[in-house]
Amino acid sequence: SAVISQKPSRDICQRGTSLTIQCQVDSQVTMMFWYRQQPGQSLTLIATANQGSEATYESGFVIDKFPISRPNLTFSTLTVSNMSPEDSSIYLCSVDLGTTSRYFGPGTRLTVT
Amino acid sequence: AQSVTQLDSQVPVFEEAPVELRCNYSSSVSVYLFWYVQYPNQGLQLLLKYLSGSTLVKGINGFEAEFNKSQTSFHLRKPSVHISDTAEYFCAVTVGSGAGSYQLTFGKGTKLSVIP
Repeated sequence: SAVISQKPSRDICQRGTSLTIQCQVDSQVTMMFWYRQQPGQSLTLIATANQGSEATYESGFVIDKFPISRPNLTFSTLTVSNMSPEDSSIYLCSVDLGTTSRYFGPGTRLTVT
Repeated sequence: AQSVTQLDSQVPVFEEAPVELRCNYSSSVSVYLFWYVQYPNQGLQLLLKYLSGSTLVKGINGFEAEFNKSQTSFHLRKPSVHISDTAEYFCAVTVGSGAGSYQLTFGKGTKLSVIP
């Protein structure tokens, strides 16, 4: 298994500001994933981040709104830019260890006022 | 494209009673199936997964699930629940496209509340 940590664990932000979420993994992984879990909803994949290349975004998500960095094999950041109340969600970092073994971090609970 | 339906959004059950959380999927090809659990204020933890072979899969914390291809179902069961099982449970499906690269689709979750 993997130990995944996220910072911050929660935050309350003002409309129009940006928040950067950090994800740290205790082992080297090729692919890292960022998910969003809106209140009462399931998980939606935002993007896949490979080290050394641009992140691949899912339909409905754009780099200007959710820029991602992947500087090495154990770390990634997701920025939620120009926030609105609709961005209030749990943001989860995730990694694959081996085939079909996807592990998730504890999540960052974001409230935008 | 695959999709997942969790038929019950909330399931209350008394402690030590059995429970079944239902999950149906749709896909035109072979799938891998997963159950994850999310305890309050925590991330998702993998409970169990079906890749191939025996259709009855055993996971952690006494949970098991049965893959039924004809009914496209992957229901989660536990014979006797404990208060600590109170959590939200997510069913997920994927169509494998190679090692380390697959799209995981989640259901909307079922909140299990265990009543003392």
